[in-house]
Amino acid sequence: SQQGEEDPQALSIQEGENATMNCSYKTSINNLQWYRQNSGRGLVHLILIRSNEREKHSGRLRVTLDTSKKSSSLLITASRAADTASYFCATGSGGSNYKLTFGKGTLLTVNP
Amino acid sequence: SQTIHQWPATLVQPVGSPLSLECTVEGTSNPNLYWYRQAAGRGLQLLFYSVGIGQISSEVPQNLSASRPQDRQFILSSKKLLLSDSGFYLCAWSGWGSDYGYTFGSGTRLTVV
Repeated sequence: SQQGEEDPQALSIQEGENATMNCSYKTSINNLQWYRQNSGRGLVHLILIRSNEREKHSGRLRVTLDTSKKSSSLLITASRAADTASYFCATGSGGSNYKLTFGKGTLLTVNP
Repeated sequence: SQTIHQWPATLVQPVGSPLSLECTVEGTSNPNLYWYRQAAGRGLQLLFYSVGIGQISSEVPQNLSASRPQDRQFILSSKKLLLSDSGFYLCAWSGWGSDYGYTFGSGTRLTVV
């Protein structure tokens, strides 16, 4: 079953704008991770935020986590056409990171 | 540095034929290994994971099986493919502990005809 659910399913913006994607989950987690997938390729790990963290930054990426609302957001600032991809959140729970559960993803299109 | 290799990149197989997809990891020891399947427009479904040689856990009942004959080799197999086995198969590895992200292979696009 899907643990994380991303919202929106699809997002189209212009280059230079910011893109925000949200993720909701159902059970308690150890951490939440965001991945990127270019069409027809494997997923690439972007950032991991632990359950005791509220915000994390990596370059143009900003991730927030609200465990009380069981939600996370991924903000990509100053987007570029090369950011066009699907973005997935994944949650690790149950006392180990052996199994990550992925959402269905948000398809981000950045128009030049 | 660690690398993960997955092949073939694409595969077209007739219904009822066998399947063998291979994944190998370099540059690390005793990785956790995973097979995921991604249907078109969908998220990733965990099929199998392994925490050591010969140790395989299956997540969903299906027509597939997995094996780990060596520490850094993970194989996905089927004796007889079904149409419903079509999809994008992804192998991944992670380190031990709860603070590791996954590193994915480039995927295999399987079409069963």
